[in-house]
Amino acid sequence: DVKVTQSSRYLVKRTGEKVFLECVQDMDHENMFWYRQDPGLGLRLIYFSYDVKMKEKGDIPEGYSVSREKKERFSLILESASTNQTSMYLCASSLHRAGGYTFGSGTRLTVV
Amino acid sequence: SQQGEEDPQALSIQEGENATMNCSYKTSINNLQWYRQNSGRGLVHLILIRSNEREKHSGRLRVTLDTSKKSSSLLITASRAADTASYFCAYQETSGSRLTFGEGTQLTVNP
Repeated sequence: DVKVTQSSRYLVKRTGEKVFLECVQDMDHENMFWYRQDPGLGLRLIYFSYDVKMKEKGDIPEGYSVSREKKERFSLILESASTNQTSMYLCASSLHRAGGYTFGSGTRLTVV
Repeated sequence: SQQGEEDPQALSIQEGENATMNCSYKTSINNLQWYRQNSGRGLVHLILIRSNEREKHSGRLRVTLDTSKKSSSLLITASRAADTASYFCAYQETSGSRLTFGEGTQLTVNP
């Protein structure tokens, strides 16, 4: 089974902290994605990557950055956490650009 | 990119009944997908239908796609309490491969 593993299920951070959310997939997928999910707003794409060391902005990249140094790992970085970044963060990967995504279990981040 | 719209937002039925959820979108698409999300968890891919297909089945799931109306529906037959979850449609535009999600339908199946 394809697995996408997110390092933390729950995380509580303070305003202003630098936060790292890690995502690892074990099926050699080229494409990886970070979404955030908020009630009433659905899933919104933050950043994505089609290859190692490659990244592209999604719909809401402000306040975030990403790193993809290895094919299997895609990290989301909150440069200076703010309360409006409290959310559920979902990582996904896909083998083909026109195929289905495999999601991780999500990280529920609370910024206080 | 614009989100898809799902209808209804919430649906409550009895076990054994069928559940139908609808999704509309506004652009040309390459394919449309349906996902399921149990409370507080990640999404699970259910089924993908390509733009040149009109209907697809997978077990108790039936998906239809009408590209002229820019709409899709997901039918779950003979529902079970374990089908209780949120269901999302997501489409990939022909111009790229980003997946754009609808806001989901919360399905509750009462035993």
